[in-house]
Amino acid sequence: DARVTQTPRHKVTEMGQEVTMRCQPILGHNTVFWYRQTMMQGLELLAYFRNRAPLDDSGMPKDRFSAEMPDATLATLKIQPSEPRDSAVYFCASGLGLGQSSYEQYFGPGTRLTVT
Amino acid sequence: GQSLEQPSEVTAVEGAIVQINCTYQTSGFYGLSWYQQHDGGAPTFLSYNALDGLEETGRFSSFLSRSDSYGYLLLQELQMKDSASYFCAGLSDSNYQLIWGAGTKLIIKP
Repeated sequence: DARVTQTPRHKVTEMGQEVTMRCQPILGHNTVFWYRQTMMQGLELLAYFRNRAPLDDSGMPKDRFSAEMPDATLATLKIQPSEPRDSAVYFCASGLGLGQSSYEQYFGPGTRLTVT
Repeated sequence: GQSLEQPSEVTAVEGAIVQINCTYQTSGFYGLSWYQQHDGGAPTFLSYNALDGLEETGRFSSFLSRSDSYGYLLLQELQMKDSASYFCAGLSDSNYQLIWGAGTKLIIKP
């Protein structure tokens, strides 16, 4: 049963600390997305990779957030330094997305981040 | 810009039929997807309409009308487990990204 995995599932940290979230996409999927979900803003796209290359990170605060895909089995999202307003659920999703096939994305369970 | 609008909340009775509407402000979409998200869970894919008309998958159906910039998700024979949030998402024809609606919370009463 192929699925996207994310670690950690929960993270509580203090303001100013670095946070690293990890994602393992489904084997064979060539697109990876990072989303942030809050009650106020809903589901926001932060970054998007295809074949490990970053295609769009316009939704991400560049001064503190960074996203990378060091290899096809690992995507990371880092926040440094973290702030209370970063508290949210961060989802990773993967897909076979090739052009018009990008409509179906498989989401991981999410990382619930709380910054105090 | 591109945006999708859906009601924030819909209430229905177990066993009944409910329709969740989604309207969009631009024609720059290849099609419309629907996702379900239970509280504390992750969004899961339900359906996709690339063409106008109705797509049926079991108790769930989805409809798209490009001329009206409108779609809906129809849930039949509602069960308590269908209580969740439902998101419509348009597939952008400029960058193949999903543009998400704010979600509709479906509340089902016995």
